[in-house]
Amino acid sequence: SQTIHQWPATLVQPVGSPLSLECTVEGTSNPNLYWYRQAAGRGLQLLFYSVGIGQISSEVPQNLSASRPQDRQFILSSKKLLLSDSGFYLCAWSLRDFGRGTGELFFGEGSRLTVL
Amino acid sequence: SQQGEEDPQALSIQEGENATMNCSYKTSINNLQWYRQNSGRGLVHLILIRSNEREKHSGRLRVTLDTSKKSSSLLITASRAADTASYFCATDPHSGTYKYIFGTGTRLKVLA
Repeated sequence: SQTIHQWPATLVQPVGSPLSLECTVEGTSNPNLYWYRQAAGRGLQLLFYSVGIGQISSEVPQNLSASRPQDRQFILSSKKLLLSDSGFYLCAWSLRDFGRGTGELFFGEGSRLTVL
Repeated sequence: SQQGEEDPQALSIQEGENATMNCSYKTSINNLQWYRQNSGRGLVHLILIRSNEREKHSGRLRVTLDTSKKSSSLLITASRAADTASYFCATDPHSGTYKYIFGTGTRLKVLA
């Protein structure tokens, strides 16, 4: 069965510090990978989307970046955090080939980032 | 920009009552999905309805889709306290990309 791991679960960082959130998927190959951000009590904002190694689509211009160094690994980074980067970050994956799956998104448990 | 907008933003009902949430979207879609999120947790997929379907059932869940009105509804029958969560609709506005866009969610509270 497929599983998704996301870490760290909680992070408190000072303004201007770097960030690295990691997500790995097990039990599937060639997944689509996603990073979403959720502000407190709000909906999900799509940040980055990847269909393959090294292929990243950025949905929101900001000081965050994403990388996909391996097929099932997705990393969210920042060189210098802003207060506005605080939020709940969710990694997710879906099957790429519509004929093989339903298009359902499978989410990790999230990483709560507080920037002080 | 948000593709889906849920209505109401918050809903409080008694256990045993039915809960209805609505979702409106702006562009044509391949399918629409509903997700549930318990507080502080990741989202869990509930049900998917394709653009050529009008109604779908899964246990106590009933989803309808009206593509002419660009809207969907989620009905939870005989609600339980454990149904307390936020519910989101998600649409794929671009064919074949699986780039799902989520709405703002409905916070459901079921009182025991």
